[in-house]
Amino acid sequence: QVQLVQSGAEVKTPGSSVKVSCRASGGTFTTSTFSWVRQAPGQGPEWMGGIVPIFATAKTAPKFQGRLTITADESTTTAYMALTSLRSDDTAVYYCATDINRPVGASWGQGTLVTVSS
Amino acid sequence: DVVLTQSPLSLPVTLGQPASISCTSSQSLVHSDGSTSLHWFLQRPGQSPRRLIYQVSNRDSGVPDRFSGSGSGTDFILKISRVEAEDVGVYYCMQGTHWPLTFGPGTKVDIK
Repeated sequence: QVQLVQSGAEVKTPGSSVKVSCRASGGTFTTSTFSWVRQAPGQGPEWMGGIVPIFATAKTAPKFQGRLTITADESTTTAYMALTSLRSDDTAVYYCATDINRPVGASWGQGTLVTVSS
Repeated sequence: DVVLTQSPLSLPVTLGQPASISCTSSQSLVHSDGSTSLHWFLQRPGQSPRRLIYQVSNRDSGVPDRFSGSGSGTDFILKISRVEAEDVGVYYCMQGTHWPLTFGPGTKVDIK
């Protein structure tokens, strides 16, 4: 099963951008399905988008179209999530996860708190 | 987007007693190939979510057999046969049949 380690907490101002990394070890990086899921304070999880590194093309939920970029670097077995034009309601814990929608073992990162505040 | 509704939203339980959570979808979750992408997750306080059940009724590795899932189409249930202290947390159903993937609002389980 894949182990996922995410980058550290970020504090951003409204209108800026953030990039969160997710380094994977174990498992097969290129064929794992990486999802980015966020959870605002006191709220349930929200799927943002995902990527299968071997295919390179990311799928993004319509809500985040134009603001979200998901990429994967096979050389470092790291997936990335970049969100632009940040607003206060983007304040959340951002999780990467693998294979949550597949009939194989699923894994989650520890989460990265992104705080957007002026 | 597919809307998932869970009930109850709060579930106080007695240790050793059974518990049951319902998840209802606004659309059928059956794929064209006949499979159903409805999964259950548990998020313990302060932790990342963990998947317990995938495709309605399959337990993930290491999940105790007191957890079971059932259902079809639009109606699904997660059952805990005998609640233990470590089962406290918020349970979420998630559908992956229709894009984008969506989660239910969560059911908070705690001990009476």
